[in-house]
This record gives sequence, structure tokens and C-alpha cells, in this order.
Amino acid sequence: NAGVTQTPKFQVLKTGQSMTLQCAQDMNHEYMSWYRQDPGMGLRLIHYSVGAGITDQGEVPNGYNVSRSTTEDFPLRLLSAAPSQTSVYFCASSYSGAYYYNEQFFGPGTRLTVL
Amino acid sequence: AQSVTQLDSQVPVFEEAPVELRCNYSSSVSVYLFWYVQYPNQGLQLLLKYLSGSTLVKGINGFEAEFNKSQTSFHLRKPSVHISDTAEYFCAVSEHWEEGAQKLVFGQGTRLTINP
Repeated sequence: NAGVTQTPKFQVLKTGQSMTLQCAQDMNHEYMSWYRQDPGMGLRLIHYSVGAGITDQGEVPNGYNVSRSTTEDFPLRLLSAAPSQTSVYFCASSYSGAYYYNEQFFGPGTRLTVL
Repeated sequence: AQSVTQLDSQVPVFEEAPVELRCNYSSSVSVYLFWYVQYPNQGLQLLLKYLSGSTLVKGINGFEAEFNKSQTSFHLRKPSVHISDTAEYFCAVSEHWEEGAQKLVFGQGTRLTINP
């Protein structure tokens, strides 16, 4: 199993550009989520999905879109990049979000810089 | 909403010394608590978790944590650290966010540096 994979590892954007961060998992997990990590703030939930075709907002969703057309993939789109979106982005998955004692498995992260 | 406070942002220790990383949470209901470790340039990896039962939880790499309900704490300990333990450590509490959804509420992280 590759686990949770993310591409790209690094990305530099100019303000106003758009891009998609890719996330895939091969563990047949129902639940997938995106977090952003900023210094001194831990990780914060951006969007999540409880299954294919179902997505919803987390605590910091503004400026981001997601879709979940398959169980395996959960891409995160930045519509118009802003310097405030400079961060490290982590994708995570677990068997089910309904059972909130489930361990979440994290990808290696994407380091995004917006100039 | 729940919150997690990690009391130390940085902890430097010498190799083979004991270490304790402190974590306090705010919650009036049953909680599920986690410690994750992030090695340099890697994603987060589960170290250990408390769901119920024994308050002393053992994890990977010789770490353990003690759940203290009265003090709302979940401190992480290791009796003798190694250079390879250098990493950032995150305490987290699991919160029911919306229907079918789980949210991990993370502390700010503690950077553990092991000096030879």
C-alpha cells in the first residue's frame, strides 16, 4: 500500500493564479480531509468528505474548493491564490468519520508559497 | 468547541535524558486523545491514542502518555530519548464536527530537539 499520496511536494504560485493539489489513498477509506499547517497554529480543517460525491466545509474553507468523484481521490483547488494561503497542506484519510476515534492517516504534505 | 494547549513550543534535551511534553485540553464530555509525530519534511504519524480504559497508554518508539481526567491533561513521556526522536509533536483531540464527520483539533505543536 502506498497509503496517502500527495502531489506536488512543492509549489510556488503568483497571486491570482489557480491550481489543484492532488490527494489519493489506496486504503479504501471512506473519509478524507484537507488540513493546512501554519506555524504556531497546529493544523486546521479546510474541507472534508465522508464518501464519494459528498463534501463539506471545515473551519477554514474560504478560497478553496473540493470534489470527490471517486473513493480514492480528493483534490483541493485554489481558485485565486493569495499570500495568506502560503502554508503546508496535508491530506488525511480514515475508515469512517462517523467514528471519531478512528486514526487518521496523513500524506507527506504539499508546501505552497504564494508570492 | 474543544481546544488543545501544548504548554511548550520547544523542548531541548540531551540524548538519553527523560522528556515530558505537556498537553492540556478543554472538554466537558468524553474525549478521544491522540499524539502525532512529524519528522522533518514528512507527514504526521500516529504515536499513540487514548480511547478508554487504562489511563496509561503505550505507543510506538518507547513513548507513553497518561490521561488525567481531573486535570484535563494528556502528557507524553519517554524515559530515555534518542537523536532520532527529534521531531515536532502534536497533541490532538477528536471532535464530532458534523453528521458523519470527525475533526481533529490540534495543539500548536512542540518541537523536540535532542542534543548529543
